[in-house]
Amino acid sequence: DIVMTQSPDSLAVSLGERATINCKSSQSVLYSSDNKNYLAWYQQKPGQPPKLLIYWASTRESGVPDRFSGSGSGTDFTLTIGSLQAEDVAVYYCQQFYRAPFSFGPGTKVEIK
Amino acid sequence: EVQLVESGGALVQPGGSLRLSCAGSGFTITRNYMNWVRQTPGKGLEWVSVIYNGGNTDYADSVRGRFTISRDTSNNTLYLQMSSLRAEDTGVYYCARGAAHRSWGQGTLVTVSS
Repeated sequence: DIVMTQSPDSLAVSLGERATINCKSSQSVLYSSDNKNYLAWYQQKPGQPPKLLIYWASTRESGVPDRFSGSGSGTDFTLTIGSLQAEDVAVYYCQQFYRAPFSFGPGTKVEIK
Repeated sequence: EVQLVESGGALVQPGGSLRLSCAGSGFTITRNYMNWVRQTPGKGLEWVSVIYNGGNTDYADSVRGRFTISRDTSNNTLYLQMSSLRAEDTGVYYCARGAAHRSWGQGTLVTVSS
């Protein structure tokens, strides 16, 4: 099974500043036949279901603000919030959908400093 | 508009059984990977099971042999039959559409306790 890890566990960032979250998979999630990384990022606010932000490691879901961006390939990935807004306070999860079980990372809590 | 509505969550004793339902609208479940994901109290997300558009299924090790995912095309509904329930199965169960889970229901609460 593919194990997902995230760092840091939590971070506090000032409004307007950049937030960076790292995700690492225990095996590559890059599928050679289509050259796509089967990696997604989700945002979850209290009392709500998760919301898909990014898929294929770097493709923004429709309607997601462009301050959210994803990068990385193979086993190492990053979610960047370019200019943190108050509404971005949430827990962020990465997930691999390369091979079942489609494991999630443990989450990173983002707060305002 | 795509919508997913879960139901069936309840308080059940250890060793008991429960069936969750997820009614889909605005899309056809057989054309999508359909997943169950759970979230234990105060914890993160745990992927539970998938039924692929072709009908094959996969499970997390923690539920394999106890849970069964299925779908009913006539009413566009996804199911999760859960048996031999344990305290650690307690949580909010979400259904989610897609390999990358682009649509989620609001969840249904399962509590396993005596």
